[in-house]
Amino acid sequence: DAKTTQPPSMDCAEGRAANLPCNHSTISGNEYVYWYRQIHSQGPQYIIHGLKNNETNEMASLIITEDRKSSTLILPHATLRDTAVYYCIVLKSADYKLSFGAGTTVTVRA
Amino acid sequence: DTAVSQTPKYLVTQMGNDKSIKCEQNLGHDTMYWYKQDSKKFLKIMFSYNNKELIINETVPNRFSPKSPDKAHLNLHINSLELGDSAVYFCASSQTPQTVEAFFGQGTRLTVV
Repeated sequence: DAKTTQPPSMDCAEGRAANLPCNHSTISGNEYVYWYRQIHSQGPQYIIHGLKNNETNEMASLIITEDRKSSTLILPHATLRDTAVYYCIVLKSADYKLSFGAGTTVTVRA
Repeated sequence: DTAVSQTPKYLVTQMGNDKSIKCEQNLGHDTMYWYKQDSKKFLKIMFSYNNKELIINETVPNRFSPKSPDKAHLNLHINSLELGDSAVYFCASSQTPQTVEAFFGQGTRLTVV
């Protein structure tokens, strides 16, 4: 599976958009980009996923570059409850074995 | 109602003991998982069951034995606990083995002393 690189941490102001980058330059054609998050002392929570096209759901938007070597998760209006570690994962849909690296610790400040 | 529930939430035990963690999902999913999250927060899959059948076993020591009495339950039994087994163990479920969205339990923090 392709490896991903994320910044270790970032701050965001409450009510503003949070843009979380992820690099996955070795991604292959049949690998999806998934995002999960883990709020302190809770289990991981699925956010969104995509293959080539940009995706949006009630939680976030996912923007994937045309060459698919990087992506950005957008939380449109961050709240204090969005403070969590966010994980970008790349893997084939037929090989659904999640594994998380260090992720990005996002702190939303009032 | 909690979608994926696991018990206990905390477990402190001595080396060499045998312990079990229980997991139940009320989502009607076919697939259940056990994950281990270490002290560095890295999460790795241990086992996956689909309709009570083992489909993934990620070279976990055979001291770890999952048991799925029905597709809504996946329990984890650990024999002869070692210090290195200390971690947070998460149960999860998904509609099918290929379903993207997995639902996780709250985790069981196991501390072996």
